[in-house]
Amino acid sequence: QLQLQESGPGLVKPSETLSLTCTVSGGSISSSSYYWGWIRQPPGKGLEWIGSIYYSGSTYYNPSLKSRVTISVDTSKNQFSLKLSSVTAADTAVYYCARHWSDRSRYNWFDPWGQGTLVTVSS
Amino acid sequence: SYELTQPPSVSVSPGQTARITCSGDALPKQYAYWYQQKPGQAPVLVIYKDSERPSGIPERFSGSSSGTTVTLTISGVQAEDEADYYCQSADSSGTVVFGGGTKLTVL
Repeated sequence: QLQLQESGPGLVKPSETLSLTCTVSGGSISSSSYYWGWIRQPPGKGLEWIGSIYYSGSTYYNPSLKSRVTISVDTSKNQFSLKLSSVTAADTAVYYCARHWSDRSRYNWFDPWGQGTLVTVSS
Repeated sequence: SYELTQPPSVSVSPGQTARITCSGDALPKQYAYWYQQKPGQAPVLVIYKDSERPSGIPERFSGSSSGTTVTLTISGVQAEDEADYYCQSADSSGTVVFGGGTKLTVL
């Protein structure tokens, strides 16, 4: 059974870079069938897709965040990572990683999801 | 930017049928997906490709599509179905979009 687990600091200072890692277990991140994605949810609000990566390193991002986001993959560790630069209080959210079923065309969905990790931006 | 529109809330009594809609201009060309999220938990996929149900999801959950609107139907609603429900799709460039979410209350 595939499982994903987010890890990283729970508190980040304004203007700094948020860094999170997602560890995949029970399956290989190098599968040719999937992307791997990051989604966030501010407290009490809805879901926002951040971006996704293929095991080869090919990425695509939400245009609204693209200038600040970098997603990378480490197939040797079965992990993928998120970096979000120049954070503000508006970036405070629960950050989820998920397997992203996508053909970059007509279909794409997220299943399963990690449990999520709360990142607070505050000095 | 592309948006998916959901009603903020839906209320039903136990045993009744709940219908949650999601509207978006690209839905005739892009599949829609539905997630259930209970408080403090991660979202769970309940419908994919408009109307397919993942294994392990009860048969009372179904999805349908008509033009620019997709609908999640929960037949015979149970107390455990009380949750937030999010639709998700993509725009023509492949950018993933989520609806604003609908809070389902079981009276």
